[in-house]
Amino acid sequence: QVQLVQSGAEVKKPGASVKVSCKASGYTFTSYGISWVRQAPGQGLEWMGWISAYNGNTNYAQKLQGRVTMTTDTSTSTAYMELRSLRSDDTAVYYCARDKGPVVPAAMDVWGQGTTVTVSS
Amino acid sequence: EIVLTQSPGTLSLSPGERATLSCRASQSVSSSYLAWYQQKPGQAPRLLIYGASSRATGIPDRFSGSGSGTDFTLTISRLEPEDFAVYYCQQYGSSPGFGPGTKVDIK
Repeated sequence: QVQLVQSGAEVKKPGASVKVSCKASGYTFTSYGISWVRQAPGQGLEWMGWISAYNGNTNYAQKLQGRVTMTTDTSTSTAYMELRSLRSDDTAVYYCARDKGPVVPAAMDVWGQGTTVTVSS
Repeated sequence: EIVLTQSPGTLSLSPGERATLSCRASQSVSSSYLAWYQQKPGQAPRLLIYGASSRATGIPDRFSGSGSGTDFTLTISRLEPEDFAVYYCQQYGSSPGFGPGTKVDIK
């Protein structure tokens, strides 16, 4: 079955970086994109960005430009999201999701289980 | 940047009732690039509707989406107990983003 499995919870200090992985299975990885969405405790959903697993093109949320990098490894059908210069307000559950758009962002039809990232000194 | 506003913030209804959720965009959403998601506590979101009115795979037909331009609606024709959740709209044009959500709770 189609699924996305994310890496485990992380605890980081302010100023550090975190890299979350998202391993896809059950579908042709390069026929879709991967979007990343985060949710701070008790808050709504925040779109972070999208990467095409087809050609590697990216589209990042303006507020995260310069701090976030999304990549894919098509040989292992795995997507990665790295966030640098972490602050306390980056504490959130981070989700990867299969994006129906292989060349531009679209709707997200399969979601990972979420990875909790806690930023605390 | 397109800003999405959802109303009401909370909708209190009983099972069997009809739910009508609104999503309004600050600018026209191109090609009806609008989706609706359902999220229950402790779970990842689930895609319900994309392209403003197309149901995602496996979504019951009591869920329907409509609208275009700046005004969109998600309708749940008869609420089932499992439908009480938070619902988010999302536009996925050039700079995707989510609305703040509508919580549907049991009256």
